[in-house]
This record gives sequence, structure tokens and C-alpha cells, in this order.
Amino acid sequence: DVKVTQSSRYLVKRTGEKVFLECVQDMDHENMFWYRQDPGLGLRLIYFSYDVKMKEKGDIPEGYSVSREKKERFSLILESASTNQTSMYLCASSFPGWQNTEAFFGQGTRLTVV
Amino acid sequence: QQPVQSPQAVILREGEDAVINCSSSKALYSVHWYRQKHGEAPVFLMILLKGGEQKGHDKISASFNEKKQQSSLYLTASQLSYSGTYFCGQKKAWRGSTLGRLYFGRGTQLTVWP
Repeated sequence: DVKVTQSSRYLVKRTGEKVFLECVQDMDHENMFWYRQDPGLGLRLIYFSYDVKMKEKGDIPEGYSVSREKKERFSLILESASTNQTSMYLCASSFPGWQNTEAFFGQGTRLTVV
Repeated sequence: QQPVQSPQAVILREGEDAVINCSSSKALYSVHWYRQKHGEAPVFLMILLKGGEQKGHDKISASFNEKKQQSSLYLTASQLSYSGTYFCGQKKAWRGSTLGRLYFGRGTQLTVWP
């Protein structure tokens, strides 16, 4: 059974803390994604990685950074958490290309910054 | 970068039909459709590639008109299990390659009542 696993379902952090969200996939996918989901705004792409150590900014990268040291693991880092980063964070992975490239999602991490 | 979905919400009785539309101002190379049930991760429904193809998945089908840069998702004879939020995703070539970031729309919330 294919899996994308996010390390935490729920997190509560204080303003100014450095926050790490971890995502691991077991499908040998080259592509990995971090999305933020807010009511009425859909899924917004934060960062995209197409290979180990390779990353590209999405639509809303401000306040975030990422790390991909191993193919199966993609981390999202909030350098200094703020209350406007309270949200649901979804990780996904897929093969590259146009065909047979469905994305598999993790269960999400609901982050609350207080 | 997000594709535009309409309508934002649909309420149906069991057995009724619905159409969800997705359009983009940028050239579409492929369109993905996903469904997310409350509290769960988005799940892949289908991919449509350039060429105006149409696909089906049970009583859910979709079309892709690359000239109009539009895709439509058709839900026929809706069942209670169809309730959820439907997202269209667009894959765009990146730096001339087929690696492709995946961008999603804001979603269409579908509610099916008995």
C-alpha cells in the first residue's frame, strides 16, 4: 500500500518558534510538494522538489523553507512561526512527467501558532 | 497560478447530476481531478492529457478542451458517497521540461442529500 506519511497530525507552537514538518514517502517518487490548505483558498503550493537537494518556490514561499536531503523525505521549515501560518499543511509526492503522475497525499498536519 | 473552479459549492439530491468546471489563463498540459472528504487527504480521480480526451471513472467522467483551456467534471446520478470537495489541478511544464509543478484550484464543495 503506497504511503505518504506526515510526522504529526496536530501541532501547537508558539509565535517565533522554529517549526519542522516532516514528510516521508515510500514510492520512490522524484517529485514532492508542500501545500497549505485554508478554507476558501484551496490548496496553495508552498514549495516543490524534483530531486534530492533540488527545490523550487511555489506561490506562497514567504516565511517557509524546505529541505530534501534524501529522496524519500521532504521537510517544511517555518523559520519563525507566526499566527498567520496557522493552517492545514499537506505533503504530496508523484512521479515526474505527464502520464501516470497522480499525486499521493499525506493525511495533513494541522498547525496552530499561538 | 491557480486554476479557476466553478461553482464554489453545489448541493444535490441523490440521483441528480452536477458539472464542475476548471479553467486556466495559462496553457494547460494536463488536468488532474481529486476529491477530498472531510478530515481526509485528497484522493486522485483521474488525469486528462492534451488532445481533448474524455475519461470516465464509475459515474464520474471528465473532458479536457485544450483550446479553451478548460476541463469539466461530470457527476452523473450522484450518490451520497460523492460528497466532498473536488479540486482540479493543472500541471505546467517547468523550464521546458516535463517535470511539472502541480497547482490546484480553490475547490468545489459538493453536498449530496438523501
